[in-house]
Amino acid sequence: QVQLVQSGAEVKRPGASLKVSCKASGYTFTDYYIHWVRQAPGQGLEWMGLINPAGGSTTYAQKFQGRLTLSRDTSTSTVYMDLSSLTSEDTAVFYCANVQGGYYHYAHWGQGTLVTVSS
Amino acid sequence: EIVLTQSPGTLSLSPGERATLSCRASQTISITYLAWYQHKPGQAPRLLVYGAFSRATGIPDRFSGSGSGTDFTLTISRLEPEDFAVYYCQQSDGSSFTFGGGTKVEIK
Repeated sequence: QVQLVQSGAEVKRPGASLKVSCKASGYTFTDYYIHWVRQAPGQGLEWMGLINPAGGSTTYAQKFQGRLTLSRDTSTSTVYMDLSSLTSEDTAVFYCANVQGGYYHYAHWGQGTLVTVSS
Repeated sequence: EIVLTQSPGTLSLSPGERATLSCRASQTISITYLAWYQHKPGQAPRLLVYGAFSRATGIPDRFSGSGSGTDFTLTISRLEPEDFAVYYCQQSDGSSFTFGGGTKVEIK
């Protein structure tokens, strides 16, 4: 079955960088785009960006331009999210989710990674 | 950027009652690009409806989506205890995605 398995919880200092992984299995890695979505405490879902594992092309939400980098390793079917210059406002649960090519909804989700930014 | 506005913010209902959730877009969107999710604390969101009215695999038929243009609705015909959660609509303009602010369905 399709699975997206994310790396574990992290605690970061303000100003640090974050790297979260999302390992896909149960399907052809290049057939689905991988997106990242986050939810800050008490807030709703926020789209961050996407990567096309087939060619590596990316699209980022304007809010995260310059601070967010998505990459992939096709040999391990893993996508990485790098977020730099962290502040306390980046404290959130981060999710990866996949979207099949030609569709526009999230078919499967990772379990979520809690990131706490605190001094 | 297309903005999705969900209403009401909170819906207080009893099990067995009907829930009607609204999602309004700031501009016309194709039904192909509109989806609904259920989100419970500590869990990943769960896809309920895609393409505005197509139920996802395994979703009970008490959940139904409707609408077009700028106005979309998720209806839960008879609330079960497990349906009390937060619900989000989501749209894509082809290159980016956005979510509505969510509607919390709570037990009255």
